Amino acid sequence: SQQGEEDPQALSIQEGENATMNCSYKTSINNLQWYRQNSGRGLVHLILIRSNEREKHSGRLRVTLDTSKKSSSLLITASRAADTASYFCVEDTGRRALTFGSGTRLQVQP
Amino acid sequence: ETGVTQSPTHLIKTRGQQVTLRCSSQSGHNTVSWYQQALGQGPQFIFQYYREEENGRGNFPPRFSGLQFPNYSSELNVNALELDDSALYLCATSPAGGGTDTQYFGPGTRLTVL
Repeated sequence: SQQGEEDPQALSIQEGENATMNCSYKTSINNLQWYRQNSGRGLVHLILIRSNEREKHSGRLRVTLDTSKKSSSLLITASRAADTASYFCVEDTGRRALTFGSGTRLQVQP
Repeated sequence: ETGVTQSPTHLIKTRGQQVTLRCSSQSGHNTVSWYQQALGQGPQFIFQYYREEENGRGNFPPRFSGLQFPNYSSELNVNALELDDSALYLCATSPAGGGTDTQYFGPGTRLTVL
């Protein structure tokens, strides 16, 4: 399998704290995407970072990409209880399929 | 919420039966992909359809098959169900064939095989 890995597998923080999730991937990518999934249901696209970008911001989200290390990180600042979800990093090689990692389960305590 | 809908929401079948899952595409999206997500795992790519033709397939046996219709809606058919087929099945649509595009996911169909 070409599936990457997220670290940590689970993370519990207090509301207002920052949450950092890391991802390692295995293939050569066109871009790397992060998705969120609430309660085992549909996935929501959060942010896409292209292989020639190193950092990207969107609201309270900050994503970094290091293609030499095949790694990425997602930072959620000032977390809220509504951020409780599973977060997946997703490799996009341009070859039809998105390759999902196993996800980080984030719990934000109110 | 995306404009992608899936039906049914939940389904219970017994081993050996056949099942059909449905997905309605977001307006303007001509590509649909299907994923299987086992409990506690990330989604696994099953296949993709573009303009009614299969456009790529993951590591799934031939008893997993699909269709895409002229209005870009889609079906996933699974024959000879096995217990390990129990999972959340997600469809995702995008405006062009292939990767490098954001995919818009439906809420999923949870299939239980007894």
